Amino acid sequence: DIQMTQSPSSLSASVGDRVTITCRASQGISNYLAWFQQKPGKAPKSLIYGASSLQSGVPSKFSGSGSGTDFTLTISSLQPEDFATYYCQQYSSYPLTFGGGTKVEIK
Amino acid sequence: QLQLQESGPGLVKPSETLSLTCTVSGGSISSSGYFWGWIRQPPGAGLEWIGSISYSGSTYYNPSLKSRLTISIDTSRNQFSLKLSSVTAADTAVYYCARRGGGRPIDYWGQGTLVTVSS
Repeated sequence: DIQMTQSPSSLSASVGDRVTITCRASQGISNYLAWFQQKPGKAPKSLIYGASSLQSGVPSKFSGSGSGTDFTLTISSLQPEDFATYYCQQYSSYPLTFGGGTKVEIK
Repeated sequence: QLQLQESGPGLVKPSETLSLTCTVSGGSISSSGYFWGWIRQPPGAGLEWIGSISYSGSTYYNPSLKSRLTISIDTSRNQFSLKLSSVTAADTAVYYCARRGGGRPIDYWGQGTLVTVSS
């Protein structure tokens, strides 16, 4: 199985801050990497696929980069609605695997 | 707009079988190139992929659950289902159904349903 490791597991940030979350795969996955946002009590929401392509309707303050084993999700200017938990997922091979999540909290 | 809705018992006894159904509306489950799957999330924990089924019935299971797992599809009802046997408290989780395209990640999720394993 491909292990996905996210860091940090949590972070505190202020409105307007630029935030970067990293995700590392235990082996190369090309660009088969997705990012999801989850708010308490809600289903995850798809943000990014193909490591850097925004899902329809996702604001451009979200961006993704990386290929191979190292990936990042960046939120350019954190807004109140962005405080949530973010997960990466590889879909290069079965079983599909998720990172452990990064909780973004208000400072 | 595609919608997915999970249904099934919210409480299952240990050693019994957990059964859930996902009903798809706003689109056909028979559309080629799509996979229909299940993901779960224990309380306060992260996401775990359970397995998927293609429109043609090909299945892909998480090896950690494979011996207890069956995923099936009913194209006439636009539904797919999950059966997990011999459950324990460790199977207590919110269960989500979801869709992904071939070579693409999940793009639609159900709202999720909490299943508690307890006597």
